[in-house]
Amino acid sequence: DAGVIQSPRHEVTEMGQEVTLRCKPISGHNSLFWYRQTMMRGLELLIYFNNNVPIDDSGMPEDRFSAKMPNASFSTLKIQPSEPRDSAVYFCASSPPPIGTQHFGDGTRLSIL
Amino acid sequence: KNEVEQSPQNLTAQEGEFITINCSYSVGISALHWLQQHPGGGIVSLFMLSSGKKKHGRLIATINIQEKHSSLHITASHPRDSAVYICAVRPISGSARQLTFGSGTQLTVLP
Repeated sequence: DAGVIQSPRHEVTEMGQEVTLRCKPISGHNSLFWYRQTMMRGLELLIYFNNNVPIDDSGMPEDRFSAKMPNASFSTLKIQPSEPRDSAVYFCASSPPPIGTQHFGDGTRLSIL
Repeated sequence: KNEVEQSPQNLTAQEGEFITINCSYSVGISALHWLQQHPGGGIVSLFMLSSGKKKHGRLIATINIQEKHSSLHITASHPRDSAVYICAVRPISGSARQLTFGSGTQLTVLP
């Protein structure tokens, strides 16, 4: 079992640039979650998908953030344009049906200069 | 007031000590998770429980639904247990799979 795979592990870019984070969930898991972790706010749910359909995106901070899940094995979180306050660790997690334990990826550490 | 409160925020123990981390929440829940975040940043799910007690190795998690309280116990603690332990709840209201997180407990076990 390869676990949840996120890429890149680290990303450093200048403000204004587009950032794309990628996630491959565990095969057979039908729910996928994107989280953001900062020192100030801890872990926050941004969006989650069930069977590739976005169910709750109320945690997405603003229109600069978008997430897609074109198929069961791939999801992206995009920030355009990026801002320094977007700097955080972004985690992807997946869980099996019906409502199982969430398995986390290693995270992407994002720094916006 | 946060919906999920953890205590203590920081805990330092000597190797071998029995450790308890507490989590209190203010909403009705369908499940509670205990997560472990290692110094390298990776997050591991330790337990998901909705009643009673679960045990895995030296880790024990208990929950009292009526009191809205859960505890994570570590017996015979070891330096490799040093990590941040995070409590998260799935509220009954709102999205079925959404988790609300506590701010975490930083545990340091000294040799």
